[in-house]
Parts: sequence; C-alpha cells; structure tokens
Amino acid sequence: QQQVKQSPQSLIVQKGGISIINCAYENTAFDYFPWYQQFPGKGPALLIAIRPDVSEKKEGRFTISFNKSAKQFSLHIMDSQPGDSATYFCAASMSGGSNYKLTFGKGTLLTVNP
Amino acid sequence: KAGVTQTPRYLIKTRGQQVTLSCSPISGHRSVSWYQQTPGQGLQFLFEYFSETQRNKGNFPGRFSGRQFSNSRSEMNVSTLELGDSALYLCASSLEQGWDTEAFFGQGTRLTVV
Repeated sequence: QQQVKQSPQSLIVQKGGISIINCAYENTAFDYFPWYQQFPGKGPALLIAIRPDVSEKKEGRFTISFNKSAKQFSLHIMDSQPGDSATYFCAASMSGGSNYKLTFGKGTLLTVNP
Repeated sequence: KAGVTQTPRYLIKTRGQQVTLSCSPISGHRSVSWYQQTPGQGLQFLFEYFSETQRNKGNFPGRFSGRQFSNSRSEMNVSTLELGDSALYLCASSLEQGWDTEAFFGQGTRLTVV
C-alpha cells in the first residue's frame, strides 16, 4: 500500500523555468511533510518541510503548497537552475509516534537544461 | 561538525551469506533510523532506534535486524541474503526534540547480492 503518491516520475525543465512536483497522501494522521533532495551518490538532504496548519511555506526559490482537504502537497522550484538537477522525494510522518518513520514518495528525477 | 557516517560504502555478498552494516550518527543525536532504497520500491523504512531500544519497525522480514549501542552507533544485520536485498541502505540520525526534528542521512551502503 503506497501511502504517499508522487508525480511525475521525471521532469525536464529549462533553466529559469518553474519545476512543480506533486504528492498526495492517504493517511489523515500524517502531520509533517518534508521534501528531500538527493544527488547521485549522496544521501537525501532535507530541503523544506511544512505542517498542515499552514497552506504555504517559502524558502528562497523553494515553495511548498499544502491542501489539507485534498490531501495534496506540492513543491515549486522557481527560477530552476542546472544545479537543481537531482531526485526529489516528498515524505510524510505523524506525531505521537516516532517522526523518524518517514513514508516517502517514489521520487521525481528533475533535469534542468542550461 | 561531522555528518552521519556509514561503513562500508560498498559491499558485494553471495546469496545465503549474512552482512552487517554500520552507522555512526551525528554527535549528540540519539535516534538512528534505517531505510532501504531501491529503484522499484523507493525509500522504505526498516527500523528506528533510540537509546538502544527499537521504537519502530517497518514491514521487512525477520532476516533484517538491528541494534544500537550506548554511544548511539547502530548496526543493521541481514541474514540469509537474497538477490532482492540488493539496495542502497541509508541511515539517518536525529535529535530527540520534537516530532518534526530533521533527519540527517548518511551516504549509504551499496549492497550487491550475487
């Protein structure tokens, strides 16, 4: 049972464009939604995270939009750069237990062409 | 500040053998989680340890086990290796300061079973 569905699987964007990656979750007990960025040969690194009490969070060129009623959240990368080329994972977890049981989407391979 | 260190980085084993992977968390971090990453299944939670106790376990067979030592270092063991166990095994460490504390990942151990 895939609890976090991520799309698209791959994305090609031109430099300066907007990259959008979407995730949907099923478990309404999830209350923490991080995005991770992974470069080849490296472990995932936290990019930005959101809780469901806000609808949007922005950090630099990265923005998370959250729709609690639709059980969806998305990552927007503005002014995409070739250095942003990586695999992006959305994830979810719930409080009350251990946060460190992250449930991940299957990832989006982003390629930003120069 | 040193990051999460996983050893070895690469490992080749034969079906039926067993393997032990090691993870040294960031200094001061007491929680250590393990994840399996494969192209087909993505990132899947194996288990999480805190203060030498397993707090959470994912849906993996009993061949997968782990432990944590008093210095927070952790090991995971896979017995009776199968070809399907070939994967990148990632360790993540966290402070125990609330449910949305960031998980820092190591670079992983690439296990190949032949």
